[in-house]
Amino acid sequence: QSALTQPASVSGSPGQPITISCTGTSSDLGAYDYVAWYQQYPGNAPKLIIYDVRNRPSGISNRFSGSKFGNKASLTIDGLQAEDEANYYCSSYTTSLSLVFGGGTRLTVL
Amino acid sequence: QVQLRESGPGLVWPSQTLSLTCSVSGGSITRDSYYWTWIRQPAGKGLEWIGRISSSGNTDYNPSLQSRVTISADSSRNQLSLRLTSVTAADTALYYCARVDRTEGYWGKFYYYYMDVWGKGTTVTVSS
Repeated sequence: QSALTQPASVSGSPGQPITISCTGTSSDLGAYDYVAWYQQYPGNAPKLIIYDVRNRPSGISNRFSGSKFGNKASLTIDGLQAEDEANYYCSSYTTSLSLVFGGGTRLTVL
Repeated sequence: QVQLRESGPGLVWPSQTLSLTCSVSGGSITRDSYYWTWIRQPAGKGLEWIGRISSSGNTDYNPSLQSRVTISADSSRNQLSLRLTSVTAADTALYYCARVDRTEGYWGKFYYYYMDVWGKGTTVTVSS
């Protein structure tokens, strides 16, 4: 199975919104609405920030939102803050009963 | 509060078998609301899903690793295990275990796919 495709890096200024895309195939993103996003700071384990395309776990800021259309999912962060600078990974359930991650996106807050 | 802790040898010889343990505290691995999974991350690179095990012991694996990987569970010790055979330098990575939560889909079927609790990870280096 191939990894989902994410941009290697995105950047934005404080207060601005940014969007990270995640592109898959008909065997993963196109087959299910079972998409999750994780935030990972260097040296730390990943942290779940979005599941079921757009749901946020308890304690996650409503500045984080998710969406999906066809084979492409997106993570949007509104009102960018310095603390949002991290790596972000998308993940999807697949038709082969497996999970697949995106390659990761490094977010830089300018 | 569920906590996970990975452990195992930090160094493995090429062609040998990598064996790791994940100790779970604060919750039973036999609770059917969750699955358990192993994920790895080479230094400076992205996440790779290795496989998962259900509360009843059913397993699913990454097709690219399926011939070399075994995930098992010991309910008496509340532990998960990972075995990866015939390792090479490409298996050098930080290995995480995590709890997998579920979503109810159509017709009452559950999909276990998002990781809501993670361990801190353990680094494994494959080298002679």
